[in-house]
Amino acid sequence: EVQLVESGGGLVQPGSPLKLSCAASGFTFSSNWLNWIRQAPGKGLEWVASINPDGSSTYYPDTVKGRFVVSKDNAKNTGYLQMNNLRSEDTAMYYCGITFAYWGQGTLVTVSS
Amino acid sequence: DIQLTQSPASLSASPDEIVTITCQASQDIGSSLLWYQQKPGKSPQLLIYSATILADGVPSRFSGSRSGTQYSLKISRLQVEDIGTYYCLQVSSSPLTFGSGTKLEIK
Repeated sequence: EVQLVESGGGLVQPGSPLKLSCAASGFTFSSNWLNWIRQAPGKGLEWVASINPDGSSTYYPDTVKGRFVVSKDNAKNTGYLQMNNLRSEDTAMYYCGITFAYWGQGTLVTVSS
Repeated sequence: DIQLTQSPASLSASPDEIVTITCQASQDIGSSLLWYQQKPGKSPQLLIYSATILADGVPSRFSGSRSGTQYSLKISRLQVEDIGTYYCLQVSSSPLTFGSGTKLEIK
């Protein structure tokens, strides 16, 4: 059974960094793209980042490019989203997913002073 | 960037009715479109991929179709458990984009 478990969310001040983790099991992590999406409270879904199976290529929308870094450790079956210089508009539930078919339960990030 | 115009924003329908949700892409995305259902407090669940292929375990009352750059999700006989918000997602080119969502309620 595919399982994805996000962790690392919390309350942080504007300008702070935060690193999210995504623990994967039940499938061959090293063979799959890893994706992150987010959902601000009461809002729709937004794509945040993608990384290819071997971690050599990453993709971001302009809203997070230069601030967020996606990575994956295939030996640990874990993906990461390093978020720097956080803004209030980054407040959202963050979900990790593989191949756009499976998503974790999410981890909440709140950016507020 | 590719825009997905999703409609309607909300709809209310009775059990056993036919429901159709559409996404209009701003340019050609081929079959690179997915449909999700999201229930409150839950992560999105994949319904359809490659525009028309039913995901594993999804009831057959759900179907996807494509006409040019217009994509549709049809629920053939609405059930009470189908309440939630539905989103389309294009994965043709970066930045990946979602439709704005359709909130489905049961009368």
